[in-house]
Amino acid sequence: GDSVTQMEGPVTLSEEAFLTINCTYTATGYPSLFWYVQYPGEGLQLLLKATKADDKGSNKGFEATYRKETTSFHLEKGSVQVSDSAVYFCALSDQPGGGNKLTFGTGTQLKVEL
Amino acid sequence: DAGVTQSPTHLIKTRGQQVTLRCSPKSGHDTVSWYQQALGQGPQFIFQYYEEEERQRGNFPDRFSGHQFPNYSSELNVNALLLGDSALYLCASSLGDRGETQYFGPGTRLLVL
Repeated sequence: GDSVTQMEGPVTLSEEAFLTINCTYTATGYPSLFWYVQYPGEGLQLLLKATKADDKGSNKGFEATYRKETTSFHLEKGSVQVSDSAVYFCALSDQPGGGNKLTFGTGTQLKVEL
Repeated sequence: DAGVTQSPTHLIKTRGQQVTLRCSPKSGHDTVSWYQQALGQGPQFIFQYYEEEERQRGNFPDRFSGHQFPNYSSELNVNALLLGDSALYLCASSLGDRGETQYFGPGTRLLVL
């Protein structure tokens, strides 16, 4: 079945540092890929998405590129802020015709310090 | 534009009881999916409702059931609660049963004692 593997956290960075959170996936067909963010005590917010190979999703300074050859969708940001502290989830959606359930990774907690 | 809303925000039940959680989708959305998020884990897909029917189901027992109303709102029912059902229950809405962008509500935190 479909699965998503994320790097384990917590990841602790200083403000303005470069961020990479690794995500790899296993899926049949051609899934769409997502990054969601969850702030403390809240639900999930869509951060960015990519629907086909080589697409780059971007939002709020974050970006991720859909790499089919390495089955990866790593999240990057050039300069993190304290306000980016949250849990980040990589996810994929299965193919049309099978509905669009999301399969999530276990999440990576990011802590940004001054 | 109202986002996804869920009620209640918190709930405490005892083992063996039954619980009903409610979700109103984002304006214009007609598909509702439910997820269970255990502490420190990613959300797990429970099921999805579209056109008032369950269209897809994850690996959850029959104790978990749902319903979708003509106004697209939805309920999640869990019978015979177990301690392991304690989790954050998230509702997500989208447009159509093949739409790929799901928008999540704030969740209902259920504690089973």
